[in-house]
Amino acid sequence: DIVMTQSPDSLAVSLGERATINCKSSQTILYRSNNKNYVSWFQQKPGQPPKLLIYWASTRESGVPDRFSGSGSGTDFTLTISSLQAEDVAVYYCQQYFSTPTFGQGTKLEIK
Amino acid sequence: QVQLVESGGGVVQPGRSLRLSCAASGFTFSSYTMHWVRQTPGKGLEWVATIWFDGSNKYYTDSVKGRFTISRDNSRDTLYLQMNGLRAEDTALYYCAKDGWEAAAPKGFDHWGQGALVTVSS
Repeated sequence: DIVMTQSPDSLAVSLGERATINCKSSQTILYRSNNKNYVSWFQQKPGQPPKLLIYWASTRESGVPDRFSGSGSGTDFTLTISSLQAEDVAVYYCQQYFSTPTFGQGTKLEIK
Repeated sequence: QVQLVESGGGVVQPGRSLRLSCAASGFTFSSYTMHWVRQTPGKGLEWVATIWFDGSNKYYTDSVKGRFTISRDNSRDTLYLQMNGLRAEDTALYYCAKDGWEAAAPKGFDHWGQGALVTVSS
């Protein structure tokens, strides 16, 4: 199985500041035939299911604010929140679906 | 809009069985691959099983192989997870999730239900 390792495990950022979460896969998840990285990012708030934010490593899901962006390719990926809002407090997960799906362990994002 | 509603969770003794259901609406259920994912405080999110749109292929995580069976009834727009031989470590919140596609490429799990809690305890 492909292991997804997120860093940090938790993060405290001031309102309006940038938050960056990293995710590293144990092997490449770039699907060469279409040049897409099969990585998603999810946001999960307490008592709610995960919500898809980003797919193909950098494509924002419909309705997701543009302060959320994804980047990276191959084995290293990043989720960036450009200007943290109070409603962004949540746990964030990366996931690969290149092979048998696996998730990162999650990053808890709080307000400093 | 897409809705996925799980049911069938509960408290069950080790070794017993339980069947989860996921009622789908708001999309053409028979056109999409579906998944079960579980979540525990200790292990986070764990993919459990996948079934293709037509039921022709099924995949399972190793820890449930031979005990769990994923199935679907496209005439009823419903996904199932039959769980036999339940163990304490199967205790989790079980989500059904829909596979997303765009421009002929998978985009991951684009919609999730609210989850069904399964507790395995004597």
